[in-house]
Amino acid sequence: AQTVTQSQPEMSVQEAETVTLSCTYDTSENNYYLFWYKQPPSRQMILVIRQEAYKQQNATENRFSVNFQKAAKSFSLKISDSQLGDTAMYFCAFMFHGGATNKLIFGTGTLLAVQP
Amino acid sequence: GAVVSQHPSWVICKSGTSVKIECRSLDFQATTMFWYRQFPKQSLMLMATSNEGSKATYEQGVEKDKFLINHASLTLSTLTVTSAHPEDSSFYICSAREQAGAAYEQYFGPGTRLTVT
Repeated sequence: AQTVTQSQPEMSVQEAETVTLSCTYDTSENNYYLFWYKQPPSRQMILVIRQEAYKQQNATENRFSVNFQKAAKSFSLKISDSQLGDTAMYFCAFMFHGGATNKLIFGTGTLLAVQP
Repeated sequence: GAVVSQHPSWVICKSGTSVKIECRSLDFQATTMFWYRQFPKQSLMLMATSNEGSKATYEQGVEKDKFLINHASLTLSTLTVTSAHPEDSSFYICSAREQAGAAYEQYFGPGTRLTVT
């Protein structure tokens, strides 16, 4: 079974600084997707970034980028120029590419606080 | 992006009663919908997956007779919590995907807070 581990329950960063959130996963599959979701205080889940396992190039979305290390099964999220609006719970998630339903498997989350 | 709505956003019910939560995909047809439960400061726990016109597939440990899921159309799925008890109080989130394949993005609803008194 696939598992997703986020070892940092809480993190804090100063506005405009850079922060990296860690995520590791365990799977025997070769084809899969990895995601970072953001859940602000409104509790609406928002997709931040997504990575296909077959792509070697790390995904980037504006201030958000990932460091995908497939052999190490690591998928960290870097947030550059942190903004107050980045304050949220961040969930790393795994999805197997195949099968009938393709379920998202979430990590336990990292609560990020951006300080002014 | 695509929009998923949930209704109601907050519901209070008395112990022993049933409550229905609706999940709608507003601008796309959702072949697959998912229902999650989230306790405070915890992760999302998948309860069940439903495909339009089929019976829902429940995750291990989720009582299917207590949490009734119906996905009668391509834009609507409902979760009914039957004979609710205080321990059922939680935040329930649905999500929807246009197609079953993993390449299709999963869109989340804003959630429903259920309080059972």
